[in-house]
Amino acid sequence: AQTVTQSQPEMSVQEAETVTLSCTYDTSESDYYLFWYKQPPSRQMILVIRQEAYKQQNATENRFSVNFQKAAKSFSLKISDSQLGDAAMYFCASRGGSNYKLTFGKGTLLTVNP
Amino acid sequence: DVKVTQSSRYLVKRTGEKVFLECVQDMDHENMFWYRQDPGLGLRLIYFSYDVKMKEKGDIPEGYSVSREKKERFSLILESASTNQTSMYLCASSSLLAGFLNEQFFGPGTRLTVL
Repeated sequence: AQTVTQSQPEMSVQEAETVTLSCTYDTSESDYYLFWYKQPPSRQMILVIRQEAYKQQNATENRFSVNFQKAAKSFSLKISDSQLGDAAMYFCASRGGSNYKLTFGKGTLLTVNP
Repeated sequence: DVKVTQSSRYLVKRTGEKVFLECVQDMDHENMFWYRQDPGLGLRLIYFSYDVKMKEKGDIPEGYSVSREKKERFSLILESASTNQTSMYLCASSSLLAGFLNEQFFGPGTRLTVL
């Protein structure tokens, strides 16, 4: 069984600043994957970034990067140079290696202030 | 581009009605999923299907059923809608590729209100 916890229901950031969204997880599997999804207001959920648990190097996608701390079971998302278009609900999710099902956290609503 | 479409963005139904939510994907994906999204609860898996006519219960299947007669189409059925099924319903699909590449692609969602 997998659980994903996002402890910050809401966050805000000033445009051009950096913000970090927290996520912790628990899993009994040795092989698993971690994801951050973004859901803009009234728009489709899209994948932001993903991390394979066996890779020590943190994933990076342009302004988005993760801090993956395997021992602590932590998977935080850092957004650099925040833009107004980054305003969205962000979901952290995990999936076991042999499983197709995602387990989601409850989400963090990010507001970007101009 | 992967496209997952859902038949309605907004739907209003009455208690006791039978409700069909339709989802279609155009990427020949084997897996399809139905989630329910509620504020403060995140996304919860209702059912998923890994092949035509195959289905598995998710975390909250009570009050729902599904149908997958064709690979591209996955339907969620509320046999007798109740007010506590008022929610946002999201459909997703993914391929059978193992491991990392198994990204789920989401539809735009159907906001269902049951009166």
